[in-house]
Amino acid sequence: QVVLVESGGGLVQPGKSLRLSCAASGFGFNGYGMHWVRQAPGKGLEWVAFVWNDGSKAYYANLVRGRFTIARDNSNNTLYLQMNNLRVDDTAIYYCARDFDGGAPDYWGQGTLVTVSP
Amino acid sequence: EIVLTQSPGTLSLSPGERASLSCRASQTVSKNYLAWYQHKPGQAPRLLIYGASSRATGIPDRFSGSGFGTDFTLTINRLEPGDFAVYYCQQYGKSPWTFGQGTKVEI
Repeated sequence: QVVLVESGGGLVQPGKSLRLSCAASGFGFNGYGMHWVRQAPGKGLEWVAFVWNDGSKAYYANLVRGRFTIARDNSNNTLYLQMNNLRVDDTAIYYCARDFDGGAPDYWGQGTLVTVSP
Repeated sequence: EIVLTQSPGTLSLSPGERASLSCRASQTVSKNYLAWYQHKPGQAPRLLIYGASSRATGIPDRFSGSGFGTDFTLTINRLEPGDFAVYYCQQYGKSPWTFGQGTKVEI
């Protein structure tokens, strides 16, 4: 079955960097685009970034463009999110998710918590 | 970016009743690329509907999606205890893809 496991979350100070990982298994990873979606405490879901199956193109939410970079290693079935210049309002649970229908994620991981605090 | 506005914010219903959730877009959603998700606390979100009206794999036919352009609806017939959750719409017709703020369906 499809399994997505996020890691790399934690407590970080504003302005610092963090890299999240998502290990994928149970499907042909290199055949699917992948997303990162986040949920701030007490808030709704917010789409963050998407990368094509071959890693050749990426798309970002306005709030993270220029600070976050989505990437993937198809040889190791792993998705990444490099987050630079973190802000307090980046605090959230970050989910990785497999794409379906060209933009609607179908399978999601359980998420990893990122806390940005002085 | 396309802003999605969901209403109502909270829907209080009883098991067996029908729920009707609205999602309105600030501009036309291209190709009706509108999805609905169910999200329960501590769990991963679950894709219910894609392409405005197609049910995802394994989703019971009590869940149905409709609409086009800027106005979309998720209908849940014969509510079951496991249906009480937060529901989000998402447009993926134009980047950046965006979610609505959610509708909580509570008992």
